[in-house]
Amino acid sequence: GAVVSQHPSWVICKSGTSVKIECRSLDFQATTMFWYRQFPKQSLMLMATSNEGSKATYEQGVEKDKFLINHASLTLSTLTVTSAHPEDSSFYICSATEDRSSYNSPLHFGNGTRLTVT
Amino acid sequence: GENVEQHPSTLSVQEGDSAVIKCTYSDSASNYFPWYKQELGKGPQLIIDIRSNVGEKKDQRIAVTLNKTAKHFSLHITETQPEDSAVYFCAASKGNAGNMLTFGGGTRLMVKP
Repeated sequence: GAVVSQHPSWVICKSGTSVKIECRSLDFQATTMFWYRQFPKQSLMLMATSNEGSKATYEQGVEKDKFLINHASLTLSTLTVTSAHPEDSSFYICSATEDRSSYNSPLHFGNGTRLTVT
Repeated sequence: GENVEQHPSTLSVQEGDSAVIKCTYSDSASNYFPWYKQELGKGPQLIIDIRSNVGEKKDQRIAVTLNKTAKHFSLHITETQPEDSAVYFCAASKGNAGNMLTFGGGTRLMVKP
C-alpha cells in the first residue's frame, strides 16, 4: 500500500530556532500534500495544502511566514517552523494523495512529528 | 465551511462487545466520509470509508452507515478486541477522496479485556 514517511518523528529545539520537517511519499507520486497540526487530545486541524511546483495554500489563521512549506518534487514536501516558540509545540502530521483529481485516490498519512520547543 | 461533530469523546467497552461512534456533518455537499484509527504517537490510518451514494459498507468487523438526509454517519465495530483500543476520527470532504478533510473531534475507544 501507499506509504508516507515523515522525518523526524520527534524533535526538541530551543526557542528562536527553526525546524524542518520532511514528508515523503515512498511508493507513489504525491501531487498534493496536506499539513495538519494536532494538539494533545484534540483533533487534526488543517494548516495548509501544498501542490507540487506551486505555492502552498494556507488556512485562515495560519501564518505563512512562520510555517514555510515547500513542495519541490512529487515525492517530497517540507514544513519549516521558523523562529519556533513554545506555543508551536505540537504534533505535525502530513498526508498525501497520488491524484487529487481522481475520485478514488485516498489520503495517506505520515506518522507525525512531535515538536517540543523549550 | 464544513463542521463535523463526533460523539462520544470517550467510549469504554468490554472485549467482545460492539462499539458505535457517531458523527454529524453540516455541509450537504460533502460526499466522502472516511474513518481513521490513530494509535498513540502515530498518524491516522484509514480503516474504512463511504461515499454518499452508498448507505452502508462493511469490512469484516467494521461497518459504516450513512444517512444523507439527516447528515450523519456512524462507525460500528463488532466483537471488539483490546487491539481496537485507539482514537478514532471521522472526517468529511467533497468530491474526490484525496481532497482536504474536515475531522471530527475524535473518540477514545478503550476495550477492556
